[in-house]
Amino acid sequence: AQSVTQPDIHITVSEGASLELRCNYSYGATPYLFWYVQSPGQGLQLLLKYFSGDTLVQGIKGFEAEFKRSQSSFNLRKPSVHWSDAAEYFCAVGNAGNNRKLIWGLGTSLAVNP
Amino acid sequence: NAGVTQTPKFQVLKTGQSMTLQCAQDMNHEYMSWYRQDPGMGLRLIHYSVGAGITDQGEVPNGYNVSRSTTEDFPLRLLSAAPSQTSVYFCASSPFTGQSSGNTIYFGEGSWLTVV
Repeated sequence: AQSVTQPDIHITVSEGASLELRCNYSYGATPYLFWYVQSPGQGLQLLLKYFSGDTLVQGIKGFEAEFKRSQSSFNLRKPSVHWSDAAEYFCAVGNAGNNRKLIWGLGTSLAVNP
Repeated sequence: NAGVTQTPKFQVLKTGQSMTLQCAQDMNHEYMSWYRQDPGMGLRLIHYSVGAGITDQGEVPNGYNVSRSTTEDFPLRLLSAAPSQTSVYFCASSPFTGQSSGNTIYFGEGSWLTVV
């Protein structure tokens, strides 16, 4: 079955600390992978996406993610977290043929301590 | 840059009432969709459209109706509101594969609906 798992429901980090949000997927075809961020009371915004090529992708706001096919993972990282990064983060997977029907993870809520 | 615009932002309905959530995009995207977001259940696709005059059901279509008479607009109708439809609703749009922005989905800011 196709699925996306974000193992951590809630994470708290201190400002300036490094961050890694985990995403594991189960998908039969070549996956297209996405990370979206949702600030409180807002819609979702694309952070980064992986289609092919370099498995380390850079996104907005200083985020990066690494695609590891052998581990079926697409973890999101940031070397130094800012208070404004507090938000909900969603991982999603789709394919080229019908990526509109994305499969979404349930999200990881990030809190940042000053 | 308007992007995807949803109205209203907040709405309270009584059980059995009907209403329409409006969605408009100004990016000339072919694909539009509606999601609902509920705690612990993530985003679930309600209906989607791949172009004017074409709509299809998503994961949770029951109780909702859509139409796509123009490229820009994709309204979501609640036919007879039920408390189970209390949720946050997001409209989204996307160009087709092959265009420069790829498969990025652009979301509206959400509509908070409470059915009492």
